[in-house]
Amino acid sequence: EIVMTQSPATLSVSPGERATLSCRASQSVSSNLAWYQQKPGQAPRLLIYGASTRATGIPARFSGSGSGTEFTLTISSLQSEDFAVYYCQQYNNWPPLTFGGGTKVGIK
Amino acid sequence: EVQLVESGGGLVKPGGSLRLSCAASGFTFSTYSMNWVRQAPGKGLEWVSSISTSDAYIYYADSVKGRFTISRDDAKNSLYLQMNSLRAEDTAVYYCARVYCSGDSCYSVFDSWGQGTLVTVSS
Repeated sequence: EIVMTQSPATLSVSPGERATLSCRASQSVSSNLAWYQQKPGQAPRLLIYGASTRATGIPARFSGSGSGTEFTLTISSLQSEDFAVYYCQQYNNWPPLTFGGGTKVGIK
Repeated sequence: EVQLVESGGGLVKPGGSLRLSCAASGFTFSTYSMNWVRQAPGKGLEWVSSISTSDAYIYYADSVKGRFTISRDDAKNSLYLQMNSLRAEDTAVYYCARVYCSGDSCYSVFDSWGQGTLVTVSS
């Protein structure tokens, strides 16, 4: 099973600032990595797949990068609606599909 | 508009059974692989099970293998999860999720989710 590790667990950022979230895989997942955003009481929303391709309707301030075992989600200028929990997920080698533990982005 | 609506959650005693349903609309259900993903209270996401089109491939997480059964009824545009021998650690919100497809390619990521149904296993 591929273990996904996200860091930091919590990130405090001021509105308008950049946020950088990390995700590490226990073995290479090539570029088969997705990012999701989840707000309290809501289902997750797909942001990025293929490590760097934005899903339909996702604003350009969200960008993904990386390949192999190291990945980054960058939110270039945080808006109020971006404060949420973010999860990475690998789909290179499954079953099982595996998620990271999440990074909570909060207001500084 | 794609809609996924789960139902069937509730309170059940350890060792009991429950059947979850997911009603799909707004897309050609039969052409998509479908999944169940769960989230324990205050915890992260855990993939539970996947079923491909025409039931060709079915997969389970080790944590539920032998206890849960995923199925689909394309005529009713519905996905199901039969959960037997339930344990306290199965307590979670269960989401129905559709894989993302673009053109002829599909990816094992989830672009549409239901609102979730809460399953609580407790005596």
